[in-house]
Amino acid sequence: DTAVSQTPKYLVTQMGNDKSIKCEQNLGHDTMYWYKQDSKKFLKIMFSYNNKELIINETVPNRFSPKSPDKAHLNLHINSLELGDSAVYFCASSQYTEETQYFGPGTRLLVL
Amino acid sequence: ILNVEQSPQSLHVQEGDSTNFTCSFPSSNFYALHWYRWETAKSPEALFVMTLNGDEKKKGRISATLNTKEGYSYLYIKGSQPEDSATYLCAFGIRAQFYFGTGTSLTVIP
Repeated sequence: DTAVSQTPKYLVTQMGNDKSIKCEQNLGHDTMYWYKQDSKKFLKIMFSYNNKELIINETVPNRFSPKSPDKAHLNLHINSLELGDSAVYFCASSQYTEETQYFGPGTRLLVL
Repeated sequence: ILNVEQSPQSLHVQEGDSTNFTCSFPSSNFYALHWYRWETAKSPEALFVMTLNGDEKKKGRISATLNTKEGYSYLYIKGSQPEDSATYLCAFGIRAQFYFGTGTSLTVIP
């Protein structure tokens, strides 16, 4: 069984559109994360979230918003997509913030 | 945003050689240091989580040490094999924020 899954795996869309990427974890973890991998393969944390607290990296534009319908899901909504949003987005989860993170397979977003 | 630096940026070694990489991080307000192995076209896979100064962890031929007072961690690979080829990432955790280094790309030549 996949521990952390993301859908879709690939997403090609036009500039200005609004899109969502879904993430689900079946590990029973309390904390979930979203990362962006930039063109230099550098991983930058965008959000971390548990059922009590959302921590946002202040460099993330407010066009990006996480939505958590329940503990097992943390979806990423992106409004008014821009060319620079093209990247690979990884979801991850951990039991506590200091513990091992388990990553999803990544979603490759291409904005045209 | 905190700086987490890894060196070298890339490394080519012969099969059977032993090697090591460095991760440097801010020594104040230390919380946790993670090592991940990241193969091309896959997602990062956890190797170690280290929280205490002087921690040493080992998994097979790979081991890591931690010095929180001076702000560095070493990752060692003994007797490198071609399947060890990957990017090795360290991540510095403070509260719920994680800051990844840019990684060390290891290529093991058969």
